[in-house]
Amino acid sequence: QKEVEQNSGPLSVPEGAIASLNCTYSDRGSQSFFWYRQYSGKSPELIMFIYSNGDKEDGRFTAQLNKASQYVSLLIRDSQPSDSATYLCAVHMEYGNKLVFGAGTILRVKS
Amino acid sequence: GAVVSQHPSRVICKSGTSVKIECRSLDFQATTMFWYRQFPKQSLMLMATSNEGSKATYEQGVEKDKFLINHASLTLSTLTVTSAHPEDSSFYICSARGPQQETQYFGPGTRLLVL
Repeated sequence: QKEVEQNSGPLSVPEGAIASLNCTYSDRGSQSFFWYRQYSGKSPELIMFIYSNGDKEDGRFTAQLNKASQYVSLLIRDSQPSDSATYLCAVHMEYGNKLVFGAGTILRVKS
Repeated sequence: GAVVSQHPSRVICKSGTSVKIECRSLDFQATTMFWYRQFPKQSLMLMATSNEGSKATYEQGVEKDKFLINHASLTLSTLTVTSAHPEDSSFYICSARGPQQETQYFGPGTRLLVL
């Protein structure tokens, strides 16, 4: 079982729709969770992080965390073509004190 | 805030030569930096964790004698690819642990091509 799992996609949504990206993790003790966006040929950029169960909103982005289900998601409202990228879920592992990244989900927003 | 730079952004070298990549945290001090490698259409692979003033911790399968890491100050870590070969051609990305605990901020990456 991979430590952090994401559906590779591609996930295709029409412009203006809500894109839902999902991630599961194996370490029940993990406390910190991150979403990064990576455009083709570029390095990842931090979108947001979440530590507590529930929802955290930042502009068009909402991160959702359910520690009991070991599940974290990212919702993108009013999706734009410029949101087309690979979205990486990262989980902080206490062992090794490092982030473990999922393989990423490719999102395509069609205009 | 939390800006990380890398230099060079792109390098082409001959097989057998060594290449040094610098990673700097510009507006914060980073006691811990990380080095990743990413091959085309693949996910990020952590190579090593670099701690200021101490030896780097390498991930399984990464040769510490080939990928030399130095973290001599709170704002600079370097990765030297020694005796580079074509299979070392990749996108090398550093990140720095930011002021807010486990958050990592990435540099823009260095694209290495070994001929």
